[in-house]
This record gives sequence, C-alpha cells and structure tokens, in this order.
Amino acid sequence: SQKIEQNSEALNIQEGKTATLTCNYTNYSPAYLQWYRQDPGRGPVFLLLIRENEKEKRKERLKVTFDTTLKQSLFHITASQPADSATYLCALGTGGGNKLTFGTGTQLKVEL
Amino acid sequence: ETGVTQSPTHLIKTRGQQVTLRCSSQSGHNTVSWYQQALGQGPQFIFQYYREEENGRGNFPPRFSGLQFPNYSSELNVNALELDDSALYLCASSLVADLTDTQYFGPGTRLTVL
Repeated sequence: SQKIEQNSEALNIQEGKTATLTCNYTNYSPAYLQWYRQDPGRGPVFLLLIRENEKEKRKERLKVTFDTTLKQSLFHITASQPADSATYLCALGTGGGNKLTFGTGTQLKVEL
Repeated sequence: ETGVTQSPTHLIKTRGQQVTLRCSSQSGHNTVSWYQQALGQGPQFIFQYYREEENGRGNFPPRFSGLQFPNYSSELNVNALELDDSALYLCASSLVADLTDTQYFGPGTRLTVL
C-alpha cells in the first residue's frame, strides 16, 4: 500500500541554522509533491509544490528537492527563526482533481 | 489566512449521536474536500465534492456523508459517532482546473466524542 514517511521525532535546531526535513514514499508515482505548514489547532497552509520533472524549487528561505529515483523529498529552511517553529507536512498527488495523501508531519522547533 | 471558514470551532458529542460540520469555500473555488486529522497524525482524506457530487472517497465508512451546495459551501455529516471519531476535521477548497490539487484549508472543527 502507499506509504509516506516523515521523521516522527521532533527536530530542534538553533536560530540561524538550516533545518532539513525529509519525506520518503513507497508504492506511489506522484505527479507532484507539496509541503504544508501547520500550527497547533490550525489548518495546514500551502508552502511549495514541486513536480515530478523538477529537481529543486526555491521560495525565499525555503528550498525543496525531489528525487523520484530515491522516492524522497528534502525540505530546507535556511536562516531559521523561532517563528518557523511548526509542524511541516508533505503531501503527494497525481493531479487532475484527485486527493492528496499526507505524511504524518515533522515538528520543527527553532530555539534562540 | 485562506478564505475558507468552518463552523463550529469546537464540538462535544456523545457516542451514538450525529453531527453536522459546515464549511464555506474560498471565493472562486468549485471543489471541497474533507479531511480527518487525529492527534499527531497527518490529515486523512474523507471525500471530495465537485459540482454538488461526490468526486472521490477515502477509506471511511458510509456513516460519513457529505453535501455540496450550489454556492460551493459544504457539510460533513457523521452518524452513530464513535470514540475514534474524535479528531480535527478540516475542510479544504480548491479548483479542479488547478491540476496540482493545491488545497486551501480552513481552521478546522475540533470534535470530541465522549
């Protein structure tokens, strides 16, 4: 069955460092992969999308890579700030109005 | 903030009862999806509505049902509530024409079943 794995343990890093989160998947051929941010008690907020034929995407301090051979995406936040503390979810989809399948999320805590 | 709103914010029910959750989609969006998010888990797809018809369903029993109205707002109904139905219920709107299925989520309804 389709499976999406994200680091279940929280990631604690110091302010100013680069945070790297991992998303691995099996039994899936996604057309694209998305990353969302979720704060406690709130709905997820869309951050970035990367398509299957793209290797890397950037948006301000965020960078996403997508390796369809390894079946893995890496999500980087450079120059991290305490305001970046949240849970980050990856989601895969096949496009065309179909559902998204989410991972369990990784909690990031950026400390002063 | 997205333009998606949900009501109520919180709800407490007892086992066996029925519940209706409501969602107003973002302006211009014609598709609504509902997700269930248990504590510490990612959102799980319940179903999607497009043009007032169910357009895909996840692995949820028939006691989970929905409606979409002509103004694209939506309801999620759950009958015969079970303790495991306690979760954050998220509504998300999107555009079918957007082939990337980017979801714009509301703040969610926290349902507690006692």
